[in-house]
Amino acid sequence: DTAVSQTPKYLVTQMGNDKSIKCEQNLGHDTMYWYKQDSKKFLKIMFSYNNKELIINETVPNRFSPKSPDKAHLNLHINSLELGDSAVYFCASRNNRGTGELFFGEGSRLTVL
Amino acid sequence: AQRVTQPEKLLSVFKGAPVELKCNYSYSGSPELFWYVQYSRQRLQLLLRHISRESIKGFTADLNKGETSFHLKKPFAQEEDSAMYYCALGFTGGGNKLTFGTGTQLKVEL
Repeated sequence: DTAVSQTPKYLVTQMGNDKSIKCEQNLGHDTMYWYKQDSKKFLKIMFSYNNKELIINETVPNRFSPKSPDKAHLNLHINSLELGDSAVYFCASRNNRGTGELFFGEGSRLTVL
Repeated sequence: AQRVTQPEKLLSVFKGAPVELKCNYSYSGSPELFWYVQYSRQRLQLLLRHISRESIKGFTADLNKGETSFHLKKPFAQEEDSAMYYCALGFTGGGNKLTFGTGTQLKVEL
């Protein structure tokens, strides 16, 4: 009964490949996010969706494309992977009517070789 | 622009010593401030928020609007407090975005 779950947890791939990370939340939250944590542990927002609608799109290369088929799912597809994409990607969700707390997934560690 | 500054990348204290993790923010409106914690190999989780004015695991944080600070404090550090701590800023009109600081790694030594 994990609240926010991401798959895969680990992903190792070659430069130039395309990969996807999936996220699902069973909390009934309206808003979902993707955050990137780099090797220095900096945590930076990438995207946010509210009820399947994109509301935040930070300065992220267009090789990154989020998709939200329904409000419980937010997937991240990355084209033409580069070395600099190596990071831990965190999915999170939030109840808009609640306390503002973000609930995070366990993270997906992407390594690009 | 909204910004959160955590000046210390690493803070090392002895068990039983007081802890203060610094956080300063930059925002002209009414901020919402949070502390999140990431224990080793675990997900990020909320530690406390300024609105609730509560003490969690012995930690407290007071919002000081004059100094634009939200420092995290604990009078006596425990070994299990060792973790990465992130200060985060939410704000009206931010589209439900939380801006995180760069994080402070707290290491409690025996």
